[in-house]
Amino acid sequence: GENVEQHPSTLSVQEGDSAVIKCTYSDSASNYFPWYKQELGKGPQLIIDIRSNVGEKKDQRIAVTLNKTAKHFSLHITETQPEDSAVYFCAASRRTGANNLFFGTGTRLTVIP
Amino acid sequence: GAVVSQHPSRVICKSGTSVKIECRSLDFQATTMFWYRQFPKQSLMLMATSNEGSKATYEQGVEKDKFLINHASLTLSTLTVTSAHPEDSSFYICSARGTSGGAYTQYFGPGTRLTVL
Repeated sequence: GENVEQHPSTLSVQEGDSAVIKCTYSDSASNYFPWYKQELGKGPQLIIDIRSNVGEKKDQRIAVTLNKTAKHFSLHITETQPEDSAVYFCAASRRTGANNLFFGTGTRLTVIP
Repeated sequence: GAVVSQHPSRVICKSGTSVKIECRSLDFQATTMFWYRQFPKQSLMLMATSNEGSKATYEQGVEKDKFLINHASLTLSTLTVTSAHPEDSSFYICSARGTSGGAYTQYFGPGTRLTVL
């Protein structure tokens, strides 16, 4: 099955700096890679996703890059703000059928004002 | 984006009782719904996958007679924790998959914190 690894497990940055979270996956058939933000006591919220026919996607301060050859994808947050502090999860799945998302172990991001 | 609601958000029950958690997709039809369990500071652990109108598929180690899942319509799935025990205390999160705005995506509910006394 799929195995998703995520690094780092914790990340602290100064407000205004950039944050980068990296994930690797094992199943070459995976072709959908979403990122979720989870605040304390809440469910995960989809913040950005990328599909295998795209190498990079950007939405304001958030960007995701995908390298299918190396089987890794990354989340980039620029100009970080205190409200960006949360746990971020990467995930991977095959789009077809009822295949589930396989989650990384999460990164706790702390943005220091 | 699409919205998934979950009810209740918190529930406290006595050991031995049953608890039902509802999950609804509010603005899209969810052909597939998932139920996850999350322990503090850990990632989401998939419990089961359900398709509308059919029996749920449970992950290894998840007792199907203890965690009853019903997916009777394209917008509603329920998880019933039967004969709950303190070790069932956890954060339960549902997720619905469907198309929203033309794109295939999976959205999560806000979660239900279950505490079994």
